Amino acid sequence: AQSVTQPDIHITVSEGASLELRCNYSYGATPYLFWYVQSPGQGLQLLLKYFSGDTLVQGIKGFEAEFKRSQSSFNLRKPSVHWSDAAEYFCAVVLSGTYKYIFGTGTRLKVLA
Amino acid sequence: GAGVSQSPSNKVTEKGKDVELRCDPISGHTALYWYRQSLGQGLEFLIYFQGNSAPDKSGLPSDRFSAERTGGSVSTLTIQRTQQEDSAVYLCASSLAGQGETQYFGPGTRLLVL
Repeated sequence: AQSVTQPDIHITVSEGASLELRCNYSYGATPYLFWYVQSPGQGLQLLLKYFSGDTLVQGIKGFEAEFKRSQSSFNLRKPSVHWSDAAEYFCAVVLSGTYKYIFGTGTRLKVLA
Repeated sequence: GAGVSQSPSNKVTEKGKDVELRCDPISGHTALYWYRQSLGQGLEFLIYFQGNSAPDKSGLPSDRFSAERTGGSVSTLTIQRTQQEDSAVYLCASSLAGQGETQYFGPGTRLLVL
């Protein structure tokens, strides 16, 4: 079955530390890939997306993600986390030719001062 | 310009009652999506509109759920005979036409069924 997995439910990092949030998908073909962030009291906001081409994608707020076809992964990274990055992060996919977005269950990020 | 708005922001209802949730998309956005976010869960796709048509209703959990969109703008999600398991945050998003266009999400409607 088609699925998106975010293995880490919670992650805690210190401010200034690097961050990597994992996302794996299970599809026969390469889907379109997205990362969204949901801050407390705010709606979901798109961080970045990958359709094709360069496998390293730059997004807003200093985030980047790398698509690895061999691992069916699309991990989100940030070199230095800020306290304002504390939020919940969702990976999502949509298959080419469809409009049904599949979201992962999210990773809640806590940032220690 | 205004973003996606949803009303009400919170709704408490009794089991068995019907509820209507409203979504006002960004002007000019022809695509509209409804999702459900339950506690500790990701977003569950419910339905997608392109204009007033819903080519994909596969995510609606049961025949108690229905949605419509009029004038290519406002959409209403209706839940009939609500059950406690319907308690969740219902999110609406809109985008320009075209697959993979950025979805802009509303703040959601938090539904509690007692």
